[in-house]
Amino acid sequence: AQTVTQSQPEMSVQEAETVTLSCTYDTSESDYYLFWYKQPPSRQMILVIRQEAYKQQNATENRFSVNFQKAAKSFSLKISDSQLGDAAMYFCALMNYGGSQGNLIFGKGTKLSVKP
Amino acid sequence: NAGVTQTPKFRILKIGQSMTLQCAQDMNHNYMYWYRQDPGMGLKLIYYSVGAGITDKGEVPNGYNVSRSTTEDFPLRLELAAPSQTSVYFCASSLGQYSEKLFFGSGTQLSVL
Repeated sequence: AQTVTQSQPEMSVQEAETVTLSCTYDTSESDYYLFWYKQPPSRQMILVIRQEAYKQQNATENRFSVNFQKAAKSFSLKISDSQLGDAAMYFCALMNYGGSQGNLIFGKGTKLSVKP
Repeated sequence: NAGVTQTPKFRILKIGQSMTLQCAQDMNHNYMYWYRQDPGMGLKLIYYSVGAGITDKGEVPNGYNVSRSTTEDFPLRLELAAPSQTSVYFCASSLGQYSEKLFFGSGTQLSVL
C-alpha cells in the first residue's frame, strides 16, 4: 500500500527565518513523483514544488527547496526567509508513474504559522 | 483566464437529496479530476477523465457519478446524499499525463444534514 506520512500536525516559524516540514512515504514503485502543495485559508490548492524520483538533484523553487532521500523515503520541504504569506496548510503527495491517472496520495498536512 | 471554475462554493443538502457539482476549465486540458477533502485529511481521488467521453474511477467513487461530454466541463453527480459525503470537493485539470502540475478550482463545501 502507498502511504504518505506527515508527522508534524503544526509548525511555527518566525518571519524571515527558515523552517523544514517533514514527509515520509512508502511505495513499492521505482518511478514516481513527489509534490508539496500549499493550501491557504482560501482553500485553493497551489503546487509549491515537484520532484521526480529518478532525479537525484533536489528540486528548488525560489525560497522553497526539498531534501529528497530516496533510500530513506523521505521528502522534506525547506522554506527559507519565511513570509507572512507562507502561512497555510502544506500537503505532501505521492503519485506513482503508471498508476491511476491523477491518483495523488496525500498526507494529512502540516499547518504552518508565521509569526511577525 | 479563469482557470478551473467550480460552482457552487457552498451547499447544504438533506439526506437523500441529489445534486450536481459543476466544474469547467478554459485551458483546453484533456485531463480532469474530482477530489474530496475530509476534515483534517488530504485529498482523495473520486473520479477522473482523460478526455471527452472517457471517465474512470478513482480511490473513493461510491455514491458519485460523472460524465464528460465536452473538454471544458466535468460535472460530479451525488445521488442520494449521505452524511458521509460531507466534505470539500475539488475539481482539477492538467495538460499532460502523470502531470507535472494540477490546476485546482477553489472547492465546494458540501454539508449533508
